[in-house]
Amino acid sequence: DQQVKQNSPSLSVQEGRISILNCDYTNSMFDYFLWYKKYPAEGPTFLISISSIKDKNEDGRFTVFLNKSAKHLSLHIVPSQPGDSAVYFCAARLIQGAQKLVFGQGTRLTINP
Amino acid sequence: EPEVTQTPSHQVTQMGQEVILRCVPISNHLYFYWYRQILGQKVEFLVSFYNNEISEKSEIFDDQFSVERPDGSNFTLKIRSTKLEDSAMYFCASSVLGQAVQPQHFGDGTRLSIL
Repeated sequence: DQQVKQNSPSLSVQEGRISILNCDYTNSMFDYFLWYKKYPAEGPTFLISISSIKDKNEDGRFTVFLNKSAKHLSLHIVPSQPGDSAVYFCAARLIQGAQKLVFGQGTRLTINP
Repeated sequence: EPEVTQTPSHQVTQMGQEVILRCVPISNHLYFYWYRQILGQKVEFLVSFYNNEISEKSEIFDDQFSVERPDGSNFTLKIRSTKLEDSAMYFCASSVLGQAVQPQHFGDGTRLSIL
């Protein structure tokens, strides 16, 4: 099942700079996309989401961009902080009314001081 | 902030034994879910539950699996006869609604080890 893909298993960014995490999907029936952050020994924590009818959603340091024609979304974190070091999962929901989330493999983000 | 709680944090069970994983969803949430993550793999959807019945399940959720809301606060996942390949991290999640822009909130998981 490769419907949601995060092609970069890891990313290293200097503190204060921008972190950009990418996610691609193949199913055009996804209507809602979410980003979760996960620390070791904890469950995924919801960060930010975007509906398929929008192309951008911003919440503080976090912005998600959606390019439907390219079936691509990205999460921007500006400025990056050491506490942002975690695994980030992209997830997508199939059509309105369904509850199942389809997850990507995750990208491990490391913020270097 | 309210959170989803899961017990135990780690469960070790002999192959073939039954295991019950427990979850307390956020109190005003109406939809409940189980996901699992096998080591090194993606988080995978197992089942969703609403109004005391299963609303959606994946192909992983076969006859060996069942879910129950035995009282007003707990939500359980039972595996009847565990196999080695059931070893994984199991996450419970809940959401206010199943539709619209309501994110699912996850617990910290139960690590299930089958020997």
